[in-house]
Amino acid sequence: GAVVSQHPSRVICKSGTSVKIECRSLDFQATTMFWYRQFPKQSLMLMATSNEGSKATYEQGVEKDKFLINHASLTLSTLTVTSAHPEDSSFYICSAQQGDNEKLFFGSGTQLSVL
Amino acid sequence: GENVEQHPSTLSVQEGDSAVIKCTYSDSASNYFPWYKQELGKRPQLIIDIRSNVGEKKDQRIAVTLNKTAKHFSLHITETQPEDSAVYFCAASYAPNAGKSTFGDGTTLTVKP
Repeated sequence: GAVVSQHPSRVICKSGTSVKIECRSLDFQATTMFWYRQFPKQSLMLMATSNEGSKATYEQGVEKDKFLINHASLTLSTLTVTSAHPEDSSFYICSAQQGDNEKLFFGSGTQLSVL
Repeated sequence: GENVEQHPSTLSVQEGDSAVIKCTYSDSASNYFPWYKQELGKRPQLIIDIRSNVGEKKDQRIAVTLNKTAKHFSLHITETQPEDSAVYFCAASYAPNAGKSTFGDGTTLTVKP
């Protein structure tokens, strides 16, 4: 099956710094990738849709200047949490679809802890 | 927008028993209903899905039923095993935009040996 790789798996940073998370589709091209945030014991909350070659589409309430998304190629999307604060601490997960197949493949997630 | 409600939030069963998790959705336009299993600290993994033109789908010990009229769908796990213990999420979307699914709040299933 399709594989989505996400790095890093865990990151601890100081308040005010920026953190970049990578999401790669390893064996297929993904024109669209998705970024979610998940709090402990809660569901996945869609943050934004990453579109290859164009601007990301953000969900209501998600600050686009805070969470920068770049989808520079058909296999890579990055999420940069800028000027991170403790309230940004969360589990971030990406997903990708393989063509028009509606099945979603998720990355392994990134646990971000901001001190 | 779509609203998905999932019940129960926690479920504990004895090994070998069956487990049933139910979800309801609000948007009649939704036509794709996947179920994901997520172990602690791991990625969600698709375990079964169903489209609106099908009423039931089965894959070994796992089955999903869909009632379009009532707008609800259920996950059935038979002969549960300890390794089935995880959080299960249902979702609803208008295919092929599964990435924009609305997810249920999850059910923590514990299978006691």
